[in-house]
Amino acid sequence: DTAVSQTPKYLVTQMGNDKSIKCEQNLGHDTMYWYKQDSKKFLKIMFSYNNKELIINETVPNRFSPKSPDKAHLNLHINSLELGDSAVYFCASSQRAGDEKLFFGSGTQLSVL
Amino acid sequence: QKEVEQNSGPLSVPEGAIASLNCTYSDRGSQSFFWYRQYSGKSPELIMSIYSNGDKEDGRFTAQLNKASQYVSLLIRDSQPSDSATYLCAVESSGNTGKLIFGQGTTLQVKP
Repeated sequence: DTAVSQTPKYLVTQMGNDKSIKCEQNLGHDTMYWYKQDSKKFLKIMFSYNNKELIINETVPNRFSPKSPDKAHLNLHINSLELGDSAVYFCASSQRAGDEKLFFGSGTQLSVL
Repeated sequence: QKEVEQNSGPLSVPEGAIASLNCTYSDRGSQSFFWYRQYSGKSPELIMSIYSNGDKEDGRFTAQLNKASQYVSLLIRDSQPSDSATYLCAVESSGNTGKLIFGQGTTLQVKP
């Protein structure tokens, strides 16, 4: 059983399009995250939700909008995609906010053409 | 801006040698430090955490922390080809925010 699963694994799209990435965790964790890893391997936090409430919101363009319908799901919607959005996006979860042991999903490779 | 810095490498060591990976951080208030391993094309996984000055050993891995020098390191003894991966240093941002700041990672190559 996959603990943190995200879909799709690969996403190739044109500039200006809108796309979504879905994430689900079956670990019973309270906290979920979106991280972005660029081509230089820097892994940067974008958002964190604890029990469906937004607790971390980094300086991210407002084209990125997370949504957490329940504590097991955290989706990421991106409007008006730009070339610079190309990266690997990782969903992660932790047992609670402040628990730094993160369980990562397998990542979504987003390529904007 | 709070930063975590690592030498991107690659660090190349022969099989059986000790690999030493280093990390410095800028946030003096940080209290929690982590090493994640990321195989090529895979997701990061936590391998070590350390919270107090000194050494912490877990099997072939030893994490070292020196808060005065703002320095964290990871030693891998008896390196194996299967240890070849990128090692990401992560530091919790001060204020117990739960926010991790990652370094760019050091790529380790263990040659048979």
